[in-house]
Amino acid sequence: QKEVEQNSGPLSVPEGAIASLNCTYSDRGSQSFFWYRQYSGKSPELIMFIYSNGDKEDGRFTAQLNKASQYVSLLIRDSQPSDSATYLCAVAVSGNTPLVFGKGTRLSVIA
Amino acid sequence: NAGVTQTPKFQVLKTGQSMTLQCAQDMNHNSMYWYRQDPGMGLRLIYYSASEGTTDKGEVPNGYNVSRLNKREFSLRLESAAPSQTSVYFCASSEVTETQYFGPGTRLLVL
Repeated sequence: QKEVEQNSGPLSVPEGAIASLNCTYSDRGSQSFFWYRQYSGKSPELIMFIYSNGDKEDGRFTAQLNKASQYVSLLIRDSQPSDSATYLCAVAVSGNTPLVFGKGTRLSVIA
Repeated sequence: NAGVTQTPKFQVLKTGQSMTLQCAQDMNHNSMYWYRQDPGMGLRLIYYSASEGTTDKGEVPNGYNVSRLNKREFSLRLESAAPSQTSVYFCASSEVTETQYFGPGTRLLVL
């Protein structure tokens, strides 16, 4: 059974701080890793994906992957109240296989 | 370019009634998916279609059937609705890169 684990939160951070969201996965053969953001009452939307060990930056977002430790994280710099949402980590073993989603971490950015 | 569309947006059923949820995508994706999302349970895969003409069970297929009508359309049918099927249903599509794009969701209430 492939599993993706996330702390459900809520994770509360003050406006302007760095929010750190973590995810661990069980299948060592996993190759692709995704972060989705889901606002309340809305559908998930892709923020970032990462395939290789190390960091990948996109604006205020940085995804970090460590395959040896089987974890992937998402850092949000200069957090804004508009970043308040649930963040879903998703993992795929190979192409054309369904993503396995974690249950999500709820982030609350306090103004 | 509408992306992934779902109909209806909201539906109320009585126990035992049947209905079909419709999903269409205009991104020429090969793969399509149906998920349900319940509080505290995250996204759970019901069925998926890796390519036109194929369908496979996901994590929670019982009580559902699917049809991949053509490359664009993937429908989900509830033959005899039960209160346990009250949920938010999301359709998604992807290409071989595995990035999934989600529709806006259908909120289903079974009384």
